Amino acid sequence: KAGVTQTPRYLIKTRGQQVTLSCSPISGHRSVSWYQQTPGQGLQFLFEYFSETQRNKGNFPGRFSGRQFSNSRSEMNVSTLELGDSALYLCASSLATLAGSTDTQYFGPGTRLTVL
Amino acid sequence: QKEVEQDPGPLSVPEGAIVSLNCTYSNSAFQYFMWYRQYSRKGPELLMYTYSSGNKEDGRFTAQVDKSSKYISLFIRDSQPSDSATYLCGLLRVQFYFGTGTSLTVIP
Repeated sequence: KAGVTQTPRYLIKTRGQQVTLSCSPISGHRSVSWYQQTPGQGLQFLFEYFSETQRNKGNFPGRFSGRQFSNSRSEMNVSTLELGDSALYLCASSLATLAGSTDTQYFGPGTRLTVL
Repeated sequence: QKEVEQDPGPLSVPEGAIVSLNCTYSNSAFQYFMWYRQYSRKGPELLMYTYSSGNKEDGRFTAQVDKSSKYISLFIRDSQPSDSATYLCGLLRVQFYFGTGTSLTVIP
């Protein structure tokens, strides 16, 4: 079974630009979560989508948004990029049908975003 | 105050050593505890999980939870160079919370 895939793997943008990252979950997984990983703050939860609906959201500004398509693929968008948005963005998929489920999250390799 | 605190290290040990990785958490509502391992340029992968206080063993790995102290640990016995990675503790309360990760290098 193919794992979680994320595209692109690396991205360089400048301040003020916007960016869209893509995630394809494991086949059959309908829950997709997004995380930001930085050395100082670690892995921080951005939001979770299930069946095209956002069902949980972390404590990030509105510049961070996402969506999920009917095939469970998900995109994350960051508008008006800031230097502090430089991070590894990870997507994770799971079978979780309930919010807060303990079903294992399977992570993709991440997209490394650098904001200059 | 962060929900989960983890010493970032880095930790460097000789092959065969016993490694102890630790996290503390602030909210007693956490009931599900995990350890993830992340190799360089890869996403985290689940190593172990547990619900209860006490020890859970899986081969060379032992996860320990002390709910009264809000303290979780991962022990690695007979450490191998292939164990060199970043280890993240994770907890679940509606959403997943993770520590910052501890970077471990096992020297042959």
